[in-house]
Amino acid sequence: SQTIHQWPATLVQPVGSPLSLECTVEGTSNPNLYWYRQAAGRGLQLLFYSVGIGQISSEVPQNLSASRPQDRQFILSSKKLLLSDSGFYLCIGARMNTEAFFGQGTRLTVV
Amino acid sequence: ELKVEQNPLFLSMQEGKNYTIYCNYSTTSDRLYWYRQDPGKSLESLFVLLSNGAVKQEGRLMASLDTKARLSTLHITAAVHDLSATYFCAVDPYRAGYGSGNTGKLIFGQGTTLQVKP
Repeated sequence: SQTIHQWPATLVQPVGSPLSLECTVEGTSNPNLYWYRQAAGRGLQLLFYSVGIGQISSEVPQNLSASRPQDRQFILSSKKLLLSDSGFYLCIGARMNTEAFFGQGTRLTVV
Repeated sequence: ELKVEQNPLFLSMQEGKNYTIYCNYSTTSDRLYWYRQDPGKSLESLFVLLSNGAVKQEGRLMASLDTKARLSTLHITAAVHDLSATYFCAVDPYRAGYGSGNTGKLIFGQGTTLQVKP
């Protein structure tokens, strides 16, 4: 079955520092991949999605970027973190006609 | 723009009581999901509802889908403390009218935080 490895689980970073979160997929190929963010006490907001290598769509303007250098690798980055970037980041994968599958999430605190 | 709205957003209830969480969505779709999230954790899939009138039950939780009303419900029967968590509904808006298949571009409700008190 398909799985997503997402790391790190917890991250504390100072304002202005760079960010790199990575998720890798196992057990399937050519998945759609998604980055979501959950601010404290809020729902999950779609940030980016990718339907293939090098293909990134941004859903909301923000201080973050995403890349997909390989079929099973999806990276969320920032050059300079803001306090408002704090939250729970979740990588989600999906294939046609299958349920979505989830990474374990990264709790990011910007201080 | 697709919206998915849950009601209530916070629910405090006593053990043994029944209650229902509502999920309304604003576009056609016949694939709706319910997830559970424990604090600091990822999401756990509870139910996938695939057609109008679908009803699924697991333990004290029962979910139903009315695609005509664009409404799903999650009913809790005789709540126990272990059910305390945040519950999300989610819709894949591209499922209906585009042939088959889940794209994974899920639109989530705001979440309902359930607190069950002994």
